[in-house]
Amino acid sequence: AQKITQTQPGMFVQEKEAVTLDCTYDTSDPSYGLFWYKQPSSGEMIFLIYQGSYDQQNATEGRYSLNFQKARKSANLVISASQLGDSAMYFCAMREGLGDTGRRALTFGSGTRLQVQP
Amino acid sequence: GAGVSQSPSNKVTEKGKDVELRCDPISGHTALYWYRQRLGQGLEFLIYFQGNSAPDKSGLPSDRFSAERTGESVSTLTIQRTQQEDSAVYLCASRATGPSLDYEQYFGPGTRLTVT
Repeated sequence: AQKITQTQPGMFVQEKEAVTLDCTYDTSDPSYGLFWYKQPSSGEMIFLIYQGSYDQQNATEGRYSLNFQKARKSANLVISASQLGDSAMYFCAMREGLGDTGRRALTFGSGTRLQVQP
Repeated sequence: GAGVSQSPSNKVTEKGKDVELRCDPISGHTALYWYRQRLGQGLEFLIYFQGNSAPDKSGLPSDRFSAERTGESVSTLTIQRTQQEDSAVYLCASRATGPSLDYEQYFGPGTRLTVT
């Protein structure tokens, strides 16, 4: 079974508008962390935002926010006020276990390619 | 400070040859990971090193793949008798560890391997 599912292979958004990238996950571990990474065409993986399974509030980092719905096992990324430089692949990832417990590697989704149009 | 570095950035090799990829993690990061990213796909975990503990090799796709790490520094990923399906970008990441906190992984720029 897929641990991380990103159902949108590609998305378009107009500059200055907000966009939501979907991510659902599957785990039986009550302790886990959810991550979003951005991968521009240059190839580097850029960390955007993190949400721990016990965090009470949705994570926010500047224009990025994570809409964490634990019961639905979803962790959607919201980008507000899109910019042309936001055009990239976006990957959702999960690590089961927290801190120095559990499996340390990240499991990645297949990604969503976001294109911001002027 | 310096980020994760990888070398070479690009490697073209003939089928059947061995290749060695290198990763220099961020200084002080005790955890090191190797991932593989095939064209248009997400990242696949290969192997994980944490300090002096036995590595987690559960993601290695075959016995042609091996990796080593000396202490908490450089790591090398070796692919023996390369096959065309090994063509991918190989990404290394390092992570700080500490009590009761989760830290993000910092990725290197990757090595693009092409097997002809």
